[in-house]
Amino acid sequence: NAGVTQTPKFQVLKTGQSMTLQCAQDMNHNSMYWYRQDPGMGLRLIYYSASEGTTDKGEVPNGYNVSRLNKREFSLRLESAAPSQTSVYFCASRVQGPSYNEQFFGPGTRLTVL
Amino acid sequence: AQTVTQSQPEMSVQEAETVTLSCTYDTSESDYYLFWYKQPPSRQMILVIRQEAYKQQNATENRFSVNFQKAAKSFSLKISDSQLGDAAMYFCAYRGANSKLTFGKGITLSVRP
Repeated sequence: NAGVTQTPKFQVLKTGQSMTLQCAQDMNHNSMYWYRQDPGMGLRLIYYSASEGTTDKGEVPNGYNVSRLNKREFSLRLESAAPSQTSVYFCASRVQGPSYNEQFFGPGTRLTVL
Repeated sequence: AQTVTQSQPEMSVQEAETVTLSCTYDTSESDYYLFWYKQPPSRQMILVIRQEAYKQQNATENRFSVNFQKAAKSFSLKISDSQLGDAAMYFCAYRGANSKLTFGKGITLSVRP
């Protein structure tokens, strides 16, 4: 049982390049989330998927797209990377149900855009 | 929109002593949940403790406890008998009816041996 996995762990891009961050969970969770963490800003929600087949914008969606490929996988795409997207990205998942259910986080991806 | 405020960016505590981390939040909802997460240098986010707003009793988990003051919208974390392994960044978070987590900016806790 690996929990939430993310690939890659580190990535360096040049401005204008594109890339996809991969996330998978093996806990049969319905809901999945993408966050970014910047110094002094905490974690901010980019996109989330309440269930397979649905996605919604979070607090900071501009410059990103997501795909809920199936129940296990939720990917985050940067079409044209910008230096402002340099950040640590976390994927998380949660079983649908009472709001006290905790979110489980992946190990994060450190992305640098030059 | 809900907001979560952690006004202290850093705190320090002597090993074996007690430290309290502050958190306030703003909401118009009556039913919600509050969480404290720990993020050690490994970056992994770890749930420390959670509190349901409808429960008056403060949550406790071993050396960790909260002081939940609903009227004041305050949710502080107390760490007793601090250990070197408690050194980390701590985030306060809120979840309401929309089921989305809103995080505070975090506080860096250092533990002096």
